[in-house]
Amino acid sequence: DGGITQSPKYLFRKEGQNVTLSCEQNLNHDAMYWYRQDPGQGLRLIYYSQIVNDFQKGDIAEGYSVSREKKESFPLTVTSAQKNPTAFYLCASRGTGLPNYGYTFGSGTRLTVV
Amino acid sequence: RKEVEQDPGPFNVPEGATVAFNCTYSNSASQSFFWYRQDCRKEPKLLMSVYSSGNEDGRFTAQLNRASQYISLLIRDSKLSDSATYLCVVNPNTGNQFYFGTGTSLTVIP
Repeated sequence: DGGITQSPKYLFRKEGQNVTLSCEQNLNHDAMYWYRQDPGQGLRLIYYSQIVNDFQKGDIAEGYSVSREKKESFPLTVTSAQKNPTAFYLCASRGTGLPNYGYTFGSGTRLTVV
Repeated sequence: RKEVEQDPGPFNVPEGATVAFNCTYSNSASQSFFWYRQDCRKEPKLLMSVYSSGNEDGRFTAQLNRASQYISLLIRDSKLSDSATYLCVVNPNTGNQFYFGTGTSLTVIP
């Protein structure tokens, strides 16, 4: 079955440490996204990519970095510069071309700073 | 002004009730609209797209009012399993990013 896979499900980070969240999709979608969700808040866009080797900052990109070397993969690195990284991170993908084509989300990664 | 605004609720309704949620959007050029459902500590899942003429999927009906720039979701004959947060999502047609409302919490009570 086609889908989008995030790993790990839970991640614990020490202060000052960089961590990388994995996102892989086999839906042949061109566009991929990273969102952050805090308790009681909506989704906020971190980065997105519409094509391989290209990506754009979202609303809250500071302290994060991404790469898009393959169509299937869009990993997110949470750097030590992100001062409040504890959150639920969601990766999504979308086929482009049809405006009524919605997002497909991965099951998320819960990141906690310890 | 936020791109998308929803009443956060919570809505607490008895089983079998009909409940409606509204969502307003700021960009009149927005092209596509969706309702997503998010269960506690899970990812959002697409419930239904919203079409200009309105559309229905079983107990769920979605409507779009372009003149007033809002979309609505009507749930009839509520089930316990409908308890979740419902997210309004809008494609403002200004790029490839969609905008999410903060969600409306629904609890269906036995």
